[in-house]
Amino acid sequence: AQTVTQSQPEMSVQEAETVTLSCTYDTSENNYYLFWYKQPPSRQMILVIRQEAYKQQNATENRFSVNFQKAAKSFSLKISDSQLGDTAMYFCAFMKDTGNQFYFGTGTSLTVIP
Amino acid sequence: SAVISQKPSRDICQRGTSLTIQCQVDSQVTMMFWYRQQPGQSLTLIATANQGSEATYESGFVIDKFPISRPNLTFSTLTVSNMSPEDSSIYLCSVGVTASYEQYFGPGTRLTVT
Repeated sequence: AQTVTQSQPEMSVQEAETVTLSCTYDTSENNYYLFWYKQPPSRQMILVIRQEAYKQQNATENRFSVNFQKAAKSFSLKISDSQLGDTAMYFCAFMKDTGNQFYFGTGTSLTVIP
Repeated sequence: SAVISQKPSRDICQRGTSLTIQCQVDSQVTMMFWYRQQPGQSLTLIATANQGSEATYESGFVIDKFPISRPNLTFSTLTVSNMSPEDSSIYLCSVGVTASYEQYFGPGTRLTVT
């Protein structure tokens, strides 16, 4: 079975600063996909960034980047130049490449402080 | 990407009644999913709904309690039957995009059972 662990229930960061959210996972699969989703108070789940396990290069989307360490089964999210709109719950998710079932972590509540 | 709408956005229901939640997608998709998110918790997959076949339920969820319909490639319903206060949750539908291995989520339905 796949498990996803987010060890930081809550985090805060000053506006314009950088913050890193941690995620580890456990799997015996070699090929899979990892995702970070954002859920603001409006509760709409929004895809932030995606990483394919077979790619060594870390994914980047504007101010969002990941540090993917396959051997360590670690997938952290770095948010640079934090903005007030980044305040949300962030979920790390895992998916095997043989199916579409997502496994979600328990989430990290991020607050950006003005 | 896909645009997903859900109806109703929220409802308050009495114990013992049933509620049907609708999920509409703006494009044809093969795989649709239903999740439950209990207050302050992560997302738990209820079932996978593929058009033309029976829904596949995850452990702990049964068809009698959560019947699902998938009449076509753009629409699905989830019914929460014989509700109890423990069913108070946010219910989200999502669609899987095979080409990108991503999932897109609807805005959710907030259900309160009194």
